[in-house]
Amino acid sequence: GAGVSQSPRYKVAKRGQDVALRCDPISGHVSLFWYQQALGQGPEFLTYFQNEAQLDKSGLPSDRFFAERPEGSVSTLKIQRTQQEDSAVYLCASRGWETQYFGPGTRLLVL
Amino acid sequence: DQQVKQNSPSLSVQEGRISILNCDYTNSMFDYFLWYKKYPAEGPTFLISISSIKDKNEDGRFTVFLNKSAKHLSLHIVPSQPGDSAVYFCAASGGYGNKLVFGAGTILRVKS
Repeated sequence: GAGVSQSPRYKVAKRGQDVALRCDPISGHVSLFWYQQALGQGPEFLTYFQNEAQLDKSGLPSDRFFAERPEGSVSTLKIQRTQQEDSAVYLCASRGWETQYFGPGTRLLVL
Repeated sequence: DQQVKQNSPSLSVQEGRISILNCDYTNSMFDYFLWYKKYPAEGPTFLISISSIKDKNEDGRFTVFLNKSAKHLSLHIVPSQPGDSAVYFCAASGGYGNKLVFGAGTILRVKS
């Protein structure tokens, strides 16, 4: 079956611009996670949804970061007024039973 | 503080030999551990996992060992193949499906 998909794969934004990153999880997966991966580092947790409920957003670095999953499937991570330090790969994962399965990520470059 | 550490940034192994990747953790609440493999420009791909109630889990060429007293786990790949060349991430969670805490990764290069 289809895996986790993310779009766009690459995004270049000017500093101060708003961006929206999309995640389509594996069909039927209730849980969805967002992670941020800086160059040379492991992914770091941002936020977690169970269905449409955002149960944990402790990893969001600032109030410029906002995530939603209004119908319990597709999720969007929005970053307002992007800064250079937001440049990273943003990974989405969905969980079936035990294991999180990752999408290919969106590489964001803020100039 | 880094709760999951992979102290070897890179490892080079000859094809056919064993690759051993190591991972240490500090949080005693972690009870589920996973290894992911990552190729450039792709997302992490799940390899193998282990629950804290076990000390070994095997899947084909991949075996994960868990030493709870030492808070240490390792991934053994036997025999190593050139296609195994990738970045390997160790990850831990405090329960099934909870958020994952990752190490910084180890670059494995398998030479033919």
